[in-house]
Amino acid sequence: QVQLVQSGSELKEPGASVKVSCRASGYTFTTYSMSWVRQAPGQGLEWMGWINTNTGNPTYVQGFTGRFVFSLDTSVSTAYLQISSLKAEDTALYYCARGRGACSSTGCYFDYWGQGALVTVSS
Amino acid sequence: DIQMTQSPSTLSASVGDRVSITCRASQSISSWLAWYQQKPGKAPKLLIYQASSLESGVPSRFTGSGSGTEFTLTISSLQPDDFATYYCQQYNSRSPKVTFGGGTKVEIK
Repeated sequence: QVQLVQSGSELKEPGASVKVSCRASGYTFTTYSMSWVRQAPGQGLEWMGWINTNTGNPTYVQGFTGRFVFSLDTSVSTAYLQISSLKAEDTALYYCARGRGACSSTGCYFDYWGQGALVTVSS
Repeated sequence: DIQMTQSPSTLSASVGDRVSITCRASQSISSWLAWYQQKPGKAPKLLIYQASSLESGVPSRFTGSGSGTEFTLTISSLQPDDFATYYCQQYNSRSPKVTFGGGTKVEIK
């Protein structure tokens, strides 16, 4: 069965960096795109962008450029989200989500989600 | 940018009630709309895609309808497991290619 398993909670100080992983299993990793979705405490869902798992090409939504980096290791079917220069407002749950449809053209929706990785930024 | 507006933001209902949630797009998105259910501490779960297509394994009491700018998620007979927050999400060819609505919390009356 399809599973996306994310790394655990992280507590970081402002200015530090964090790298969240998302390991996929149960399907061919490179046949579906992977998106990242942020959910701040008590708030809604916010799409951060997606990565083409075939080419490794990332696309970032406005507001998630500069400090956010999507990457892959296809040898272990894993996607990564790295956030640098962390700020208190980066405190949130970060989900990876498998994209169905063509994120690059007609847009996509998400049929499988990781369990979420809580990143807390506090001194 | 396409904005998605859900109403109501909170809905109080009883087991067995028929409930409907509305999602409006700021411009036409044809039928490119998905609905998700999220329970506290859990990841969202896909319920409906392409406005009215039921995801495999989702109970038939969930139905989606609409096209263009107005969409509805209906639960025909609310069950205890259905108390959760529901999100709509548009997907289309224009940027941004994905936008979520603000969510509707369905709570026990």
